[in-house]
Amino acid sequence: KQEVTQIPAALSVPEGENLVLNCSFTDSAIYNLQWFRQDPGKGLTSLLLIQSSQREQTSGRLNASLDKSSGRSTLYIAASQPGDSATYLCAGSDAGSYQLTFGKGTKLSVIP
Amino acid sequence: SAVISQKPSRDICQRGTSLTIQCQVDSQVTMMFWYRQQPGQSLTLIATANQGSEATYESGFVIDKFPISRPNLTFSTLTVSNMSPEDSSIYLCSATPALGGEKLFFGSGTQLSVL
Repeated sequence: KQEVTQIPAALSVPEGENLVLNCSFTDSAIYNLQWFRQDPGKGLTSLLLIQSSQREQTSGRLNASLDKSSGRSTLYIAASQPGDSATYLCAGSDAGSYQLTFGKGTKLSVIP
Repeated sequence: SAVISQKPSRDICQRGTSLTIQCQVDSQVTMMFWYRQQPGQSLTLIATANQGSEATYESGFVIDKFPISRPNLTFSTLTVSNMSPEDSSIYLCSATPALGGEKLFFGSGTQLSVL
């Protein structure tokens, strides 16, 4: 069964800094990889979806990459802002399965 | 995309009672799911809500404890039965337009505290 790990559990950066969040998974047969944002007491917002045939996706200041051979995905946030403060979760699914396996998340704090 | 409305947003309940959480999607979706997020933990899939038939439960979750309904393509309910403090979690409804390879959309969650 797929296992997803996110390190670090928490990260604090000054406003304006570029940063990278890491996600690793155990099974290279992962089908797709999604990054979500969760604000305190709220549900999840889908940020980026990297499908099986893709290596990266970009949306605004966010860029996510997927390297199946190394079992890693990264979420790059450029020019961080205080509004980016949230918990970021990655989740992967296997081919033919709708079930997502989530990491525990990285709690990001962007200091003004 | 899909907008998912979930209610209640939070509740405080007494031990031994039951709570029903409602999930409404603004468009027809193929798959609907219920997740649980315990404090400090990642999300765990409880079950897939099947339209017009019994839900499909994941290992460790049973229908008697978490009965689920899905009477049509856009609405589902999750009941947490005979609650104990261990059931204190965030419960999240989610949906996807197609099987596999698609974004998963989430409701805003229900923060449940059991005294």
